[in-house]
Order: sequence, then structure tokens, then C-alpha cells
Amino acid sequence: GENVEQHPSTLSVQEGDSAVIKCTYSDSASNYFPWYKQELGKRPQLIIDIRSNVGEKKDQRIAVTLNKTAKHFSLHITETQPEDSAVYFCAASKNNNDMRFGAGTRLTVKP
Amino acid sequence: GAVVSQHPSWVICKSGTSVKIECRSLDFQATTMFWYRQFPKQSLMLMATSNEGSKATYEQGVEKDKFLINHASLTLSTLTVTSAHPEDSSFYICSARTIGSQYFGPGTRLTVL
Repeated sequence: GENVEQHPSTLSVQEGDSAVIKCTYSDSASNYFPWYKQELGKRPQLIIDIRSNVGEKKDQRIAVTLNKTAKHFSLHITETQPEDSAVYFCAASKNNNDMRFGAGTRLTVKP
Repeated sequence: GAVVSQHPSWVICKSGTSVKIECRSLDFQATTMFWYRQFPKQSLMLMATSNEGSKATYEQGVEKDKFLINHASLTLSTLTVTSAHPEDSSFYICSARTIGSQYFGPGTRLTVL
């Protein structure tokens, strides 16, 4: 089955700096890669996703890149703000089935 | 985005009792829903895939007789934790699949005394 690894487990940045979170996956058949943001005690919220036919996708301060050959994808947050502080999870799935999550990255943005 | 509700949001029960958690898709029909379990400071672990009108598919290591799943309609799936024990205490989250992605419910925090 699919195995998703996520790094780093914790990340602390200064407000205004960029943050990068990286994930690798094992199943070459996976074709859908969402990123979720989860605040303490709340549900994961989809923030951006990318499909295997696209190499990069951007939405304002958030961007995701996908390298199918290397089987890794990354989340980039620019101009970070304190409200970006949360746990971020990457995930991989085939056709939105059997979604497997990374271990999560706790991002802290210091004002 | 699509809206998924979950009820109850939290529950405390005695060891040995059963607890039912409901997951509803409010503005769309979901033929497939998923149940996850999340321990403190850990990731989401898929427990089972719930398919409307058929038996759920359980992940390896998840006891189907302990975690009963019923997906009776296109908008409702239920998870029943039977004979709950303290080690079942956790945050249970459902998600519903749409054409685009999966959307999560707000979660249910179960505490078994």
C-alpha cells in the first residue's frame, strides 16, 4: 500500500519568512495529493491540492510542487503570518481513494 | 467547500458501553465516506472505508466487530464503538468524498472512563 513520509516534523519560522514542507510517497499509481491544515482540536481543512498531471499549483501565498519521477511533493508558504501556525498534513491517494496521510508538520510562525 | 457534520462533538462514556457517532454530508451526496482515528499530536489513521449500501472495508488491524460501520444512505454513515475501553479514547473524524476531494467532519472526541 501507499506510504507517505513528511518532513520536518516541526518547523519554526519568523513572520514574513517562507516555510517549506516536503513529502514523499511510495505508490507510483497515486495521482492526487492534497494538503490539509489542522488547528488544535479542529477538523483538517483542505488548503490546496495537486493532481499528477500538473507540476505546480499556486493559490496566493500557498504553492505546491509535484515531482512524479522522484515521487515527492512540497508545500510552500510565502510571507508567513502568525495565523499560519498549525499542523499541516500531506496526503496521497489514487483517485481520491485510500488516502494516506503524512505524519504532520507543526508549523510555528513567530511574530 | 462541501460541508460535513459529525455528532456528537464529544462524548464521555463508561467502559463496556457502546457509542454511536454520526457523519453527515449536508450539501452533497457521498457514496463513500471514510473514518479516521487521531491520537494526540499524531496523524490521521484510516480505519475503514464506508460505502453506501454495502459492507465497509476495514484497514488491517482494525476490528470490524468492535468498530461497526453502517452507511445506510448517501448522506449518513455511522460508526459504533462497541464495548468501549479506555484505550479506545481518541479523536474520531469522518470524511466524505466528492468528485474533487475529501472533506472532513469536525471530529468526535471520545473519552472512555
